[in-house]
This record gives sequence, C-alpha cells and structure tokens, in this order.
Amino acid sequence: EVQMLQSGGGLVQPGGSLRLSCEASGFTFSSYALCWVRQAPGKGLEWVSGISTSGASRNYAESVEGRFTVSRDNSKNTLSLQMNSLRAEDTAVYYCGKAGKAQRTDWLNLEFDFWGQGTLVTVSS
Amino acid sequence: QSVLTQPPSVSGAPGQRVTISCTGSSSNIGAGYDVHWYQQLPGTAPKLLIYANTNRPSGVPDRFSGSKSGASASLAVTGLQAEDEADYYCQSYDSSLTDVIFGGGTKLTVL
Repeated sequence: EVQMLQSGGGLVQPGGSLRLSCEASGFTFSSYALCWVRQAPGKGLEWVSGISTSGASRNYAESVEGRFTVSRDNSKNTLSLQMNSLRAEDTAVYYCGKAGKAQRTDWLNLEFDFWGQGTLVTVSS
Repeated sequence: QSVLTQPPSVSGAPGQRVTISCTGSSSNIGAGYDVHWYQQLPGTAPKLLIYANTNRPSGVPDRFSGSKSGASASLAVTGLQAEDEADYYCQSYDSSLTDVIFGGGTKLTVL
C-alpha cells in the first residue's frame, strides 16, 4: 500500500524558514518523480515544485523560485521542501505527490496518483 | 487567474449527467499535453480521477469519464450521486511557463 506521510508544517514569522518532509513507502521510491502542491485557504490547487527520479531535474513555480528548494533522499525514501524567506501569501496546506508512472523523462506531463495527507504552513507575525 | 479555465460551479440532480470544462491554449492542452482530473473532498488531499485525458485509475467508477478536443478538455459525471459533491480540478503542462498548471477548480453540487 502506497503511503506518503508528511511532517514539518507550523506557524512561522514572515521572513522565516521551514522545512517540510514527506516519507514514502509501498513503492520503489527512486523510480518516481515527486511534487509539492499547495492550497491556500479557500483557494484552488497551485503547483509549487517537482523533482525527477534522480533529483537532477527540478521545477519551481515562479512564485517560489529562489526561495524554496526541493530535494529527495532515495536512500531514505524521503522528499523535502526547504522554504526560506516565507511570505504571508505562502500560507497554505502543502501536499506531496507521487507521479503516476515510473522512469519517465516527461514527468512534468504526468498525473500524480498518490498524495500525502497535507500539512498546514501559516506565515504570520 | 488560472491558465486553465474551469467554471466555478456546476450542479445537477441525483441521477443526472453533468460536465465540467477545462479550457486552455496552444501552449498547454492545445499543444498536445495531457489533461488529468482530480476530485477533492473538503479537508482531504486530491484524488486522481482521470489521467492522460481519458483513462480511469482502478477503483474509479465508470460514471466518470474524460475527453479532450483541441485546446479544451471535459470531465463528465453520469448518474450523479450525493457522494460526488466535491471540488474538481484539471491539470496539464504549459510549455511557455514550463510549469505544471491547474485549473481554478469547479465545485460540483448535487441538488
């Protein structure tokens, strides 16, 4: 059974930093691209970042480019999102997701078939 | 404003059929990139409903179907049930933005 367990959310002041983690199980972690998607209160889904199987290719939404860093540790089946210089508009529930197909170079065109439970990040003074 | 345009809301009576549109452009759906659909119940993570335009993951009822034509895609729900009441999102890729993109979401209400 695929499971993606998230941790690391919470309250942080503007300008602060936070690190989100997503520990996966039930599939060959190193074979699948992964992503982070967020949802601000009462709003829709927004792409944040994605990472290829090896970590060599990373993609960021313009709104977080230069502030957020996505990484993965294939030896620990863990996906991470380091968030720096946080702003009020980063307040959202963050979800990690797994690509639906293994070993694909066109991973940005793929569906994401399993998701973490979500973790709330609140940026406020 | 989302690059993919969805109606904010649709509604239908139990047993009826509804469709949700997802309109893009020549740099995303119109360029041939796949469209995927998600269902999101309140307070829960998205659930994959349709992938690669027309395909249903195992476990998704065949009441849900997807189609794509030109720069648009649609999700159809037949035989509406109360449990279908949720938010629905389309997803694709945009080559100009070089980003994954989502529609703004559509709230389906079962009357």
